[in-house]
Parts: sequence; C-alpha cells; structure tokens
Amino acid sequence: KAGVTQTPRYLIKTRGQQVTLSCSPISGHRSVSWYQQTPGQGLQFLFEYFSETQRNKGNFPGRFSGRQFSNSRSEMNVSTLELGDSALYLCASSFWTGPNEKLFFGSGTQLSVL
Amino acid sequence: GQQVMQIPQYQHVQEGEDFTTYCNSSTTLSNIQWYKQRPGGHPVFLIQLVKSGEVKKQKRLTFQFGEAKKNSSLHITATQTTDVGTYFCAGREQGAQKLVFGQGTRLTINP
Repeated sequence: KAGVTQTPRYLIKTRGQQVTLSCSPISGHRSVSWYQQTPGQGLQFLFEYFSETQRNKGNFPGRFSGRQFSNSRSEMNVSTLELGDSALYLCASSFWTGPNEKLFFGSGTQLSVL
Repeated sequence: GQQVMQIPQYQHVQEGEDFTTYCNSSTTLSNIQWYKQRPGGHPVFLIQLVKSGEVKKQKRLTFQFGEAKKNSSLHITATQTTDVGTYFCAGREQGAQKLVFGQGTRLTINP
C-alpha cells in the first residue's frame, strides 16, 4: 500500500503570494489532518477533515484554509504569505476519525517564504 | 485550551546510556500516542496507551501512562545510534477529537 503522498516536496514563495499544498492519503483512509512544524515548536495542528467535512480547526488565522475531496485527497491553502509561514507542512491520514486512530504522516512540504 | 508539555527539549547521551522523555498534559487525556521523527524524516507512530497506569514495552523502549492519565514517559534502555531522532507525545483530551502534540524531545547520541 502506498503511503501518504504530499506534493510538492519543496516550495519557495515570496511574501504576499498564496500557495496550495496537496495531500493524498493512504488508500481507504478517510481522515486527513494538517500540521505545521517549525524548529522548537513541535507540531501545531491546523485542521482535520473527514468525509469532506472539516471536523476540527487549530488556532491559525483565516489565511490558512483547506478542503477535502470525495476521493479523500486534501488540499491546504495559505493566502497572503508571511515570512513566519516558513515551515514544514505535514499531512497525516487515518482510516477513521476518533480517539484511538493513529496517524500516518507524509514526508511533508517544506515551504520557504522570502 | 489543552496543552501538552514535553521535557527535556534536547538530550545528548553517550551510546549505551539510558534516555527518558516526559510528557505532561494540562488536562486528563483519553489516550496518549508516541511518535518518532528521524532527522529529515516524518513522524512515525510508535505506540498508543489508553489505560490508567498502563506500561508497554517495545524491545528497549518502555512507555508509561500515568495513573491520573495526565502524564506519560518514554524510556530507552542502552541507547543505540539508531535511536537518534525527535520523540513526540500526542494526547487527546477526554471528549475532544483534536490530537495535541508536545514540542518533542530531540535525542542525539555520541557513538
């Protein structure tokens, strides 16, 4: 079974631009979560989608948005990029949504904002 | 909101020494999960603890969940260079769905 696939792997943008990141979960997984990882800050939860519905949202500004398609693939969008948005964005999938689900992470998209 | 604190942030040991990382939650957890992220890699699920006072072992790794379900620890006996990486705990507050990660403990090993 293929793992979680994130594209692109690396991205360089300038302030004010917008960016879209893509995540394809493991086949059969219906839940997709997004995390932002910066050095020393651990993994900050962005949002979780299940069956095309946003189930949970973290404490990020409205510039960060996402969606999930009927095939469970998910996209994350960041508008009006700021320097502080430079980070590794990780997508994780799980079969279901619930307290006992373990997450399978993709390799991430490394976003650099100049 | 729920906070998960992990200490220490960094730990450097000699190969063969033991290593422990601690995880504390501001609220009671329904369960706790541990993940390992190798340098340049992505987090990989290690284990989940659900019951109060639960202890689980994976070879040289011992995981504990506190009696009050608010803290957890990961202990590695006789570290090896393959143990290098960042260890994250992640917990779900009882009744909540969001999984909150600790800041991680970065383990480096001197061979």
